[in-house]
Amino acid sequence: AQSVTQPDIHITVSEGASLELRCNYSYGATPYLFWYVQSPGQGLQLLLKYFSGDTLVQGIKGFEAEFKRSQSSFNLRKPSVHWSDAAEYFCAVGASILTGGGNKLTFGTGTQLKVEL
Amino acid sequence: DAGVTQSPTHLIKTRGQQVTLRCSPKSGHDTVSWYQQALGQGPQFIFQYYEEEERQRGNFPDRFSGHQFPNYSSELNVNALLLGDSALYLCASSSPGQLALRRTDTQYFGPGTRLTVL
Repeated sequence: AQSVTQPDIHITVSEGASLELRCNYSYGATPYLFWYVQSPGQGLQLLLKYFSGDTLVQGIKGFEAEFKRSQSSFNLRKPSVHWSDAAEYFCAVGASILTGGGNKLTFGTGTQLKVEL
Repeated sequence: DAGVTQSPTHLIKTRGQQVTLRCSPKSGHDTVSWYQQALGQGPQFIFQYYEEEERQRGNFPDRFSGHQFPNYSSELNVNALLLGDSALYLCASSSPGQLALRRTDTQYFGPGTRLTVL
């Protein structure tokens, strides 16, 4: 069974500081990995995804993530945080069609990001 | 290009009642997935519909059922509501092209329906 762990429930950073949100996954085959962001009362917006190839993935809003198979991690980073980045961030792993996973997403419990001005 | 839309935005029901939530997928998408997000938690997969059939189901009781229409829109029905069913219900759609490429879908989410059971 697939699972995702986001060890940090809350993170506070100052505006302009760098950010790294941690994500560890468990999946028996090649993982398909996603980061989504959720603002209060809103749905989920896709930030970036990893399917294969280059392990450093660029996304929207200046975010990037690096896939490290040896560490089963897919950490999200941003070099300089803006106040508008305050939101909840979810890492998710998707099952592979090739292994009959049916494409359901399994999410972590999320990391709430607070940005201090 | 309209994204995924859901209705209603908010809903209040009492225990034992039944509820129907609706979802229209993003243009060009034919697969719809439903997720339940309880307060302070990540979304949990309920089920997925493709070609008007339930393709996969998560660990939810039979009180949760769904339907997909020929225009790819979908409904989520919950019977005999419990207090624990209070949550944000998210619909996500994805396209067939990525299936053809033998990749997992990229799912695009709607704004959700907030269900409160009293």
